[in-house]
Amino acid sequence: GQQLNQSPQSMFIQEGEDVSMNCTSSSIFNTWLWYKQDPGEGPVLLIALYKAGELTSNGRLTAQFGITRKDSFLNISASIPSDVGIYFCAGSPQGGSEKLVFGKGTKLTVNP
Amino acid sequence: DSGVTQTPKHLITATGQRVTLRCSPRSGDLSVYWYQQSLDQGLQFLIQYYNGEERAKGNILERFSAQQFPDLHSELNLSSLELGDSALYFCASSVAPGSGGELFFGEGSRLTVL
Repeated sequence: GQQLNQSPQSMFIQEGEDVSMNCTSSSIFNTWLWYKQDPGEGPVLLIALYKAGELTSNGRLTAQFGITRKDSFLNISASIPSDVGIYFCAGSPQGGSEKLVFGKGTKLTVNP
Repeated sequence: DSGVTQTPKHLITATGQRVTLRCSPRSGDLSVYWYQQSLDQGLQFLIQYYNGEERAKGNILERFSAQQFPDLHSELNLSSLELGDSALYFCASSVAPGSGGELFFGEGSRLTVL
């Protein structure tokens, strides 16, 4: 089946540092999404991308939909302690919310 | 609070047993999704319902079944449980299937099979 390769698996950074994580696939996705999961909670949508090449920001978060439609990255600027959590990329081959495929996540730890 | 309610939050049972997980979607959402989250497999799509009808199927085992009722709540039935079925089971909802990928997830039901 389709898979998303998400890297890095984990990151340990100092408060104030910028963070970058990415997701690649061997097949095309028509929608790319980034979710964050806090401990004991379900994933929450951070950013949705619908067009190849699209660059979208949400506060300190910026994400891009790769031109080839096979990759996406998420940047977090000036990290703060509440950025701690697991970040998941997700893609939909058909677009929309059908049969979302999730990456295995990037666990972010921010040291104050 | 996403507005998606899942019960129970925790469930411990034995191999061979059957359990039912329940989900109430956000008010107004017609589509319900079930996902399984385990440490080694990440979030795996199981099944999707839209307005009472099965819409899409993912990696759902034959021992598992689900349905969406007229009031739009959904139940996931897991039977002949095995140790490997221990996982977090998430329900998510959206307004409609093509709603841009914005799924609202519940807090999950943690199933432990002993």
